[in-house]
Amino acid sequence: NAGVTQTPKFQVLKTGQSMTLQCAQDMNHNSMYWYRQDPGMGLRLIYYSASEGTTDKGEVPNGYNVSRLNKREFSLRLESAAPSQTSVYFCASRGGWYQETQYFGPGTRLLVL
Amino acid sequence: SQQGEEDPQALSIQEGENATMNCSYKTSINNLQWYRQNSGRGLVHLILIRSNEREKHSGRLRVTLDTSKKSSSLLITASRAADTASYFCATVPLYGAQKLVFGQGTRLTINP
Repeated sequence: NAGVTQTPKFQVLKTGQSMTLQCAQDMNHNSMYWYRQDPGMGLRLIYYSASEGTTDKGEVPNGYNVSRLNKREFSLRLESAAPSQTSVYFCASRGGWYQETQYFGPGTRLLVL
Repeated sequence: SQQGEEDPQALSIQEGENATMNCSYKTSINNLQWYRQNSGRGLVHLILIRSNEREKHSGRLRVTLDTSKKSSSLLITASRAADTASYFCATVPLYGAQKLVFGQGTRLTINP
């Protein structure tokens, strides 16, 4: 039981390049989330998916797109990376409406030059 | 903008001492949660307190919630070196989607 897994662990991009961050959970959770964490800051919500087939914007969605591929997988895409997107990205999942704890992946560290 | 503010931003104490961290938030909440983040790792859930609760315990952790002041505190008793980490409070708004809104965290260092 791996919990929440994220790939890659670390990535360097040049400005304007695109990439997709992958996230998968094996806990049969309904809801999944993408956050970014900048140095010395808490996490800010980028996008979330309350259930399979739905996605919604969070606090900082600009420059990102998401896909809830199936119940297990939730990907985050940067179409044209910018230096301001240098951050650590965390994926999380939550079981259901009455299960309020979120379970986090180990993070993807992204550097945009 | 982030919901919560945490105080202090950094705390350094000796092993065995108690550590107290505070969190303030702005809007009405359904519940408040505390998470720990070890350096370079993801967040781990510690404890959840609902808006109708005032105090909750889990092992060496004690959380209080004062909804009239929109504030919470996390007390770690008899601290250990392994407690060194960043601690974040996160709130779930009373209305709307089940989303966590994080504070900026307290970096706790336990000196042996």
